[in-house]
Amino acid sequence: EAQVTQNPRYLITVTGKKLTVTCSQNMNHEYMSWYRQDPGLGLRQIYYSMNVEATDKGDVPEGYKVSRKEKRNFPLILESPSPNQTSLYFCASSLSSMTFGELFFGEGSRLTVL
Amino acid sequence: RKEVEQDPGPFNVPEGATVAFNCTYSNSASQSFFWYRQDCRKEPKLLMSVYSSGNEDGRFTAQLNRASQYISLLIRDSKLSDSATYLCVVIRNNDMRFGAGTRLTVKP
Repeated sequence: EAQVTQNPRYLITVTGKKLTVTCSQNMNHEYMSWYRQDPGLGLRQIYYSMNVEATDKGDVPEGYKVSRKEKRNFPLILESPSPNQTSLYFCASSLSSMTFGELFFGEGSRLTVL
Repeated sequence: RKEVEQDPGPFNVPEGATVAFNCTYSNSASQSFFWYRQDCRKEPKLLMSVYSSGNEDGRFTAQLNRASQYISLLIRDSKLSDSATYLCVVIRNNDMRFGAGTRLTVKP
């Protein structure tokens, strides 16, 4: 089954404790991206990747890091989480940078930072 | 002013009704447009692209008005299963912006 898989789905952590949210897609998609969704603000892009070893900042990259060493994986790293990073996070992929408006989303990861 | 704006709703309509949402965008150079659907506590899913000439997919019709800088989504013969939040997406170059969504509830 074609899918985007995120883990963990739910996480409660404390300020400053490094964490990684993994994202993997099995569709051989070139384009991958991360979003956070907050009430009233909609989805905001954190980082995106056009292809392996090519990553770029989105609208709200501060406090996050990403890497794209393999085509299928695009982990999101919070080096020192803070409470304002409490949010619902979505990873998404698309066939290519030409079609990145047509996204397949993972089921989301709800993160709470205390 | 936000780059992409939607009426948050909620829109409460009876089954069988026709309902329309608009989404306005501020950058006239925007190039591509989409509608997504998001069910409560779920991930967004692509509903349809929006083409310059307008396009239809079953009960759903999407239109683009470049002069007034908005896109619209029309749902005919609403079903209970159409209850969801509808997100518009506007793209300019590599920049992709989501609206905050319009919530629709279809009631029996």
